[in-house]
This record gives sequence, structure tokens and C-alpha cells, in this order.
Amino acid sequence: AQSVTQLDSQVPVFEEAPVELRCNYSSSVSVYLFWYVQYPNQGLQLLLKYLSGSTLVKGINGFVAYFNKSQTSFHLRKPTVHISDTAEYFCAVSDGTRGSRLTFGEGTQLTVNP
Amino acid sequence: GAVVSQHPSRVICKSGTSVKIECRSLDFQATTMFWYRQFPKQSLMLMATSNEGSKATYEQGVEKDKFLINHASLTLSTLTVTSAHPEDSSFYICSARPGGHRAGELFFGEGSRLTVL
Repeated sequence: AQSVTQLDSQVPVFEEAPVELRCNYSSSVSVYLFWYVQYPNQGLQLLLKYLSGSTLVKGINGFVAYFNKSQTSFHLRKPTVHISDTAEYFCAVSDGTRGSRLTFGEGTQLTVNP
Repeated sequence: GAVVSQHPSRVICKSGTSVKIECRSLDFQATTMFWYRQFPKQSLMLMATSNEGSKATYEQGVEKDKFLINHASLTLSTLTVTSAHPEDSSFYICSARPGGHRAGELFFGEGSRLTVL
């Protein structure tokens, strides 16, 4: 079984400040890891994903994530946030098998204030 | 990137009626689609896995007779909420995974907000 824990339910930051959204996972097998963003009343949009290879994953909108296998973490970071980054962010894990489903964390509401 | 479309985006219905939500993969074939339910300020809860040409696989606690899923083609899955009640009001999101090199990544629809009066 897999599980995902997002350590912060809400993260308020000021515009142009750096931000880190934390995600820890547990799994007995190798995993694929994802970060999705959800704007109000919309579906989810993929920010980035880790399938294999480099532990530094670059995504859209200037976001990056670090896969740390020893700490079972996949934290999301952005060096400079903007008002438009205000949204709900979900970390998710999959065991990667064909047809496997995603297990989502509880979400982190990022609010960027002027 | 791959596109998944949901319709309708919003629907309001009276208690006791049935509502159908469509999920289409516009530029790829999806043998498997997933239906999620999301309550306000909460995460996505997987309801069922929709398999093309076969019965859907429901998660524990999800009533299969209430949430009917049909996956008649490789690009279309439908979720029908039968005899809807106010407690069924929620945001329903579908997702699909293309095969091949993009295996492992899910693409999501825009979601459908159901309000049952």
C-alpha cells in the first residue's frame, strides 16, 4: 500500500519570496511521484513528475522538486512566487504498474500575498 | 499535452433525478479512466476505475448501483449519479492515462460540479 503526507495544509507567503511545499510518501515498491496544481473550480494540472533518473525534477511555471529516496520525500520548491501561483497543490504517488492508480496527499493551499 | 474533457462543468438537479457526466480523452485512447470525488477543501477520493469494454472496479464504500460507470469506447467514459440526493453534491473529476511512453502520468478533466437541491 502507498500513502502520501503533505505536511502543511496551508502555506502563506509574500510575493517574490521562495516557497517549499513538503511531501513525504511511503511505499514498499519503487514509485512514480507527481505534483499537481488545482485552481478554483478546475481539474488538476501536472506540474512535474519523477519517474526515474535525476533526483532534481524541473516542471512548469518555474517549479522544481527534489526526490530524496532515503528520506522518502518529494518536496516542491519555487525560488520566487507570484500572485498567480495561489492555488491548491497536490502530491501524488503511483507504483507505476499499468493501470495503477494515483494516491493523493491531502493538499496544500498556497496563498501568495502582495 | 494530452487533453481530457468533461461535460457538463456544472449541473444543478432536483433530488431524486439522475445526472450523467461525460469524460472524453480528446487526443489519445484510454483503456482505463478514473473517477474521483472531491469535497470542499479536501483531497481527491478515488471512486472507481473505468475499464473499456468491461465492468468498472469500485473502491470500498462506493455504491456501484448509485454511481453507474460506462466505458463503451476508448475515448469516452460516463458517470451517472442515480437518484441523486443533496449529499451527492460534490466536485467530480475524471482522469485518463495514455499508454506508451506517457504511461504513469494521469491527465485530468476540468471537473464537474454537481449540486443536488
